[in-house]
Amino acid sequence: SYVLTQPPSVSVAPGETARITCGGNNIGGKSVHWYQQKPGQAPVVVIHYDSDRPSGIPERFSGSKSANTATLTISRVEAGDEADYHCQVWDSTSDHLYVFGTGTKVTVL
Amino acid sequence: QPQLQESGPGLKKPSETLSLNCTVSDGSFTGTTYYWAWIRQSAGQGLEWIASMYYTGNKYYNPSLKSRVTISLDVSKNHFSLMLTSVTAADTAIYYCATSGSVANWGNWGQGALVTVAS
Repeated sequence: SYVLTQPPSVSVAPGETARITCGGNNIGGKSVHWYQQKPGQAPVVVIHYDSDRPSGIPERFSGSKSANTATLTISRVEAGDEADYHCQVWDSTSDHLYVFGTGTKVTVL
Repeated sequence: QPQLQESGPGLKKPSETLSLNCTVSDGSFTGTTYYWAWIRQSAGQGLEWIASMYYTGNKYYNPSLKSRVTISLDVSKNHFSLMLTSVTAADTAIYYCATSGSVANWGNWGQGALVTVAS
């Protein structure tokens, strides 16, 4: 089945930029979405359709992708950005329609 | 967005059937392009898609769970449901219901329901 690989953890100082990768075979041909999940809470979409921000999500969050890697970038990181981040693809050509990445813990130093 | 609330037993024994409901606050199931899903998360693990139902009536299941899972919708009760048969300890997780106006991702989630499978 399709696998999305994320680094287990990323550490970043306040004000710096965090980049979280999501690797998958030909991910460039799929629709990629990113969720933020804080402890004890449900996930929240921060980027959908590769690079679009839902209403209410700060401009500091952005998304991009290449052939085999999608990237969530958090600029000017704040303490409140500390959370787990999950990528997700929708693959209408597969029986496994929705695949989530392994998740990345972002720690603000 | 409508509020979602999962409900169901917090503890099940191995081999039993797990049934969970997700109550949707506004109950708008008809005449809407909408999608419903169940997603779970084991302790310290990532998210796992379990099943989805589309407004067209089509149902889709994670291939690894397909033989044990059923998703259904009850418009009269404003909820959708998940049934998972023959549970084992590996099914211990937080179970989330989710909805969306988009087919590709899940923009609206319940708070999650912890289910523990233990004898």
